[in-house]
Amino acid sequence: EIVLTQSPGTLSLSPGERATLSCRASQSISSSYLGWYQQKPGQAPRLLIYGASSRATGIPDRFSGSGSGTDFTLTISRLEPEDFAVYYCQQYGSSPRTFGQGTKVEIK
Amino acid sequence: QVQLVQSGAEVKKPGASVKVSCKASGYTFTGYYMHWVRQAPGQGLEWMGWINPNSGGAEYAQNFQGWVTMTRDTPISTAFMELSRLRSDDTAVYYCARGPREWSSFDYWGQGTRVTVSS
Repeated sequence: EIVLTQSPGTLSLSPGERATLSCRASQSISSSYLGWYQQKPGQAPRLLIYGASSRATGIPDRFSGSGSGTDFTLTISRLEPEDFAVYYCQQYGSSPRTFGQGTKVEIK
Repeated sequence: QVQLVQSGAEVKKPGASVKVSCKASGYTFTGYYMHWVRQAPGQGLEWMGWINPNSGGAEYAQNFQGWVTMTRDTPISTAFMELSRLRSDDTAVYYCARGPREWSSFDYWGQGTRVTVSS
């Protein structure tokens, strides 16, 4: 099983600032089968990024993903008020599919 | 537009079973995998398995093998997830989520079904 470790656990930032979230895998993820999801309280997760760097339909370009192998990053270039949420990475290149434990982006 | 609409909240006693439904619309039901993911209160996301609505084939995460069953009813474009021998730590929100291929991210999610297991 591939274990995904996200850091930091909580990120305290102000609107307009840049957010950098990390996801590290216990072994290499094949074909960059790595996705990022956003979840707000009481809502289902929403796909932001797939294939490590491709934005999902309707996702603003302030969200970007990068990385390969075992190290991946989600960057939010300028935080908007609606971006404060929990973010999960997920690998879907091997079974079981696994998620990181999440990074909470909170308003400073 | 793509929609996944899940059945309502359930309260069950330990040892009982629960069956959650996920009705798909806005796309060809048999053309996409359906995954199930759960989230315990205040916790992260846990993948349970998938079903291929076209073939009926399914794969379950090892943690759930032997006590989860995923099925589908193609004429009504609905997937089902049944969990048996419920325990208190099965209390969670259960989500269905669509996957374009077997190995893909989950592009649409249901709204979630809260299952509470309590004596």
